[in-house]
Amino acid sequence: EVQLVESGGAVVRPGGSLRLSCAASGFTFDDYGMSWVRQAPGKGLEWVSDTNWNGGSTGYADSVKGRFTISRDNAKNSLFLQMNSLRAEDTALYHCARRKLEVVYGSASYYFDYWGQGTLVTVSS
Amino acid sequence: QSVLTQPPSVSAAPGQKVTISCSGSSSNIGKNYVSWYQQLPGTAPKLLIYENNKRPSGIPDRFSGSKSGTSATLGITGLQTGDEADYYCGTWDTSLSAPAVFGGGTQLTVL
Repeated sequence: EVQLVESGGAVVRPGGSLRLSCAASGFTFDDYGMSWVRQAPGKGLEWVSDTNWNGGSTGYADSVKGRFTISRDNAKNSLFLQMNSLRAEDTALYHCARRKLEVVYGSASYYFDYWGQGTLVTVSS
Repeated sequence: QSVLTQPPSVSAAPGQKVTISCSGSSSNIGKNYVSWYQQLPGTAPKLLIYENNKRPSGIPDRFSGSKSGTSATLGITGLQTGDEADYYCGTWDTSLSAPAVFGGGTQLTVL
């Protein structure tokens, strides 16, 4: 059974830092790209960041670029999100998700087939 | 403002059918595959549909997806009270530096 369990969420002051972790089990971790998707309270889903299977290719939403860093440790089946210079608008439930990315007949197939329950980050003074 | 546009809410009676629309543009839905997610209250999102119309193992055939041009539709037949949830569409946008995009979500109420 695929399981993704996030941790590391906390209340932090604006300008502060936090490191989120996601422990993966039930599948061969280094066969998959992984992503972070967040959800502000009462709001919809927002893609935050993505990494390929070995961390060699990463991407970020414009809203977090230069402040957040995604990484992974395949030996420990773990995904991370280092969050610096946090802002009030970063307050959200952060989910890690296993993602699939393929090009099929010239069109991108990009979706998230398993999600964790999320870890809550609150940025407040 | 989400890149993909969904109605904020839809409703229907138990046993009926409902459709949820997702409107995009030529750089996202018009060019790439669409996925749909169900988020029951207080839970993580769950993949319902991928590549426009494919269902993962375990998803009942009451759920279906389709795409035409720059719009996609999620259909749910034989509505059950347990289907009350938020539904999101998602896809890849080739024109954006942050390529993964979602709709704003649609809240389904089963009356």
